[in-house]
Amino acid sequence: GAGVSQSPRYKVAKRGQDVALRCDPISGHVSLFWYQQALGQGPEFLTYFQNEAQLDKSGLPSDRFFAERPEGSVSTLKIQRTQQEDSAVYLCASSPAMLGRTGYTFGSGTRLTVV
Amino acid sequence: AQTVTQSQPEMSVQEAETVTLSCTYDTSENNYYLFWYKQPPSRQMILVIRQEAYKQQNATENRFSVNFQKAAKSFSLKISDSQLGDTAMYFCAFMREYGNKLVFGAGTILRVKS
Repeated sequence: GAGVSQSPRYKVAKRGQDVALRCDPISGHVSLFWYQQALGQGPEFLTYFQNEAQLDKSGLPSDRFFAERPEGSVSTLKIQRTQQEDSAVYLCASSPAMLGRTGYTFGSGTRLTVV
Repeated sequence: AQTVTQSQPEMSVQEAETVTLSCTYDTSENNYYLFWYKQPPSRQMILVIRQEAYKQQNATENRFSVNFQKAAKSFSLKISDSQLGDTAMYFCAFMREYGNKLVFGAGTILRVKS
């Protein structure tokens, strides 16, 4: 596609519910990133994929967070047993290069609200 | 660990005037990359400008330019001839030379007034 597509745009989950957030990167982009952006804050790194390999997951806040990119294109971020502190915008970004020095292309994010 | 500080939570500017957004960072590395991203209400982060630390010349993209002071670890963004469409949240970000993670500041809300 022309840009990075994320769905759903908004998600309301009851506390304890599992959610899955989808990211469709730009076709052919090797690198894919997930960031979490709390209200009024800058985005914080969650995880990074190079093709289907998850090379860095150091930013995932707990074992309730899980990300995958099985075929090296679409990625899913799954949050199990959601809690109120998980409420945030989840941004996905992709890059054609293995290193991000040229900058990424971001999607418009999914706003998750846990009630 | 690297940190990025944006000390101005909010800024306002009149249309057609010039505004400067501040950013400082902390790193022990010699080579790295610096970025300014714009985030309008649509939430999509849009790359405005990037600077390579080993280049002394300040980057420029049309109405946007930076003042990169490596010794002071300062990376400010100047927006000339401000337009209503420049209203957005602006984030300064740091990336290591061979890294992939962006480390963002807390952002500055810029409002352009007519």
